[in-house]
Amino acid sequence: GQQVMQIPQYQHVQEGEDFTTYCNSSTTLSNIQWYKQRPGGHPVFLIQLVKSGEVKKQKRLTFQFGEAKKNSSLHITATQTTDVGTYFCAGSSNSGYALNFGKGTSLLVTP
Amino acid sequence: DTGVSQDPRHKITKRGQNVTFRCDPISEHNRLYWYRQTLGQGPEFLTYFQNEAQLEKSRLLSDRFSAERPKGSFSTLEIQRTEQGDSAMYLCASNSGMETGELFFGEGSRLTVL
Repeated sequence: GQQVMQIPQYQHVQEGEDFTTYCNSSTTLSNIQWYKQRPGGHPVFLIQLVKSGEVKKQKRLTFQFGEAKKNSSLHITATQTTDVGTYFCAGSSNSGYALNFGKGTSLLVTP
Repeated sequence: DTGVSQDPRHKITKRGQNVTFRCDPISEHNRLYWYRQTLGQGPEFLTYFQNEAQLEKSRLLSDRFSAERPKGSFSTLEIQRTEQGDSAMYLCASNSGMETGELFFGEGSRLTVL
């Protein structure tokens, strides 16, 4: 079945440093979504990417979808303490309704 | 509050007991999903409803688990003969299937099986 893998599992940065998390799927995805989960909270949607090679930006966050639609990345420029949380990618294929989540990358930002 | 609501928020039970969780999705959403999340893991897909029809179930879902959405509005997830391995956060999410596939998650129901 479809598997979505994320690296790294943890990342600890100083405030102001950049951060990147990578997501890889074992199969071609129809779309990929990114979510953020704060400690003790529930996943909150950030963005969806659909097109091959797509790049989207939200302020300091840049999301990319690979040309083969099997990988994606999230890059945060100049991290802030408010960026703390776990970032999940989630992908779906054309064959099902399930959105399959990666294990997430937990980001810790120290001032 | 018009978000996804789940009840109860916390449930502690003894092994072998049955438990039921309820999810009320956002009112105009016809799609409803159940996920399970354990510490340090991402949400794991359990099952999906479109209106009252259960269209997909994870192969990992034991036959002790059953979900319903009888009128296409709220949904229940029942776990029979609970085991310690069932301890997790059970998350419900909904969406309308329009535009983005964004899932709106509830706060979750945390199950602890002793």
